[in-house]
Amino acid sequence: QQQVKQSPQSLIVQKGGISIINCAYENTAFDYFPWYQQFPGKGPALLIAIRPDVSEKKEGRFTISFNKSAKQFSLHIMDSQPGDSATYFCAASIVGTSYGKLTFGQGTILTVHP
Amino acid sequence: SAVISQKPSRDICQRGTSLTIQCQVDSQVTMMFWYRQQPGQSLTLIATANQGSEATYESGFVIDKFPISRPNLTFSTLTVSNMSPEDSSIYLCSGGVNEQFFGPGTRLTVL
Repeated sequence: QQQVKQSPQSLIVQKGGISIINCAYENTAFDYFPWYQQFPGKGPALLIAIRPDVSEKKEGRFTISFNKSAKQFSLHIMDSQPGDSATYFCAASIVGTSYGKLTFGQGTILTVHP
Repeated sequence: SAVISQKPSRDICQRGTSLTIQCQVDSQVTMMFWYRQQPGQSLTLIATANQGSEATYESGFVIDKFPISRPNLTFSTLTVSNMSPEDSSIYLCSGGVNEQFFGPGTRLTVL
């Protein structure tokens, strides 16, 4: 009930391409969906987050698409750059209890080739 | 946003000993959280630390093993007690008002 499933496990994209990472959740009480970027040896950094009252949110090259009926959300990285090479985690929480009590997906290792 | 620091950044410890990890937030937050990230894996929530009350632990984590203190709204500690090699992991704290920000982590190796 609390799981967040993330795919793919790894992704290789050419510079300038679009990177797409997908997540699916089971708990319909989840109402906050952030994405984190983590570089080796660093803590996760918040990239972008969405609430289920909107279907899409864009910040620069990063876009979250959200499908409430399918219980799925995805991260799109436009014009991917070698500096985007990192591990990406989706997460979910219930705002009523706490934004911070996050359930994480398994992570996606993104490699952007120059 | 919130800036979170942790100490130590890494440590190598002997089996049976304990290590206390400190987490400092640059602003007051109601809740702080402790996560564990095993090498190459995702993050798992250990416990929620509230100021003025006992921490709330997730399934599989117990207070005797991971005692937590939260003396004020900007600071928390996590102790990993009676360590074994299975406790080798990265320990992360997080905090924030709405959005959650993470510290850089403490990389623990238990020999």
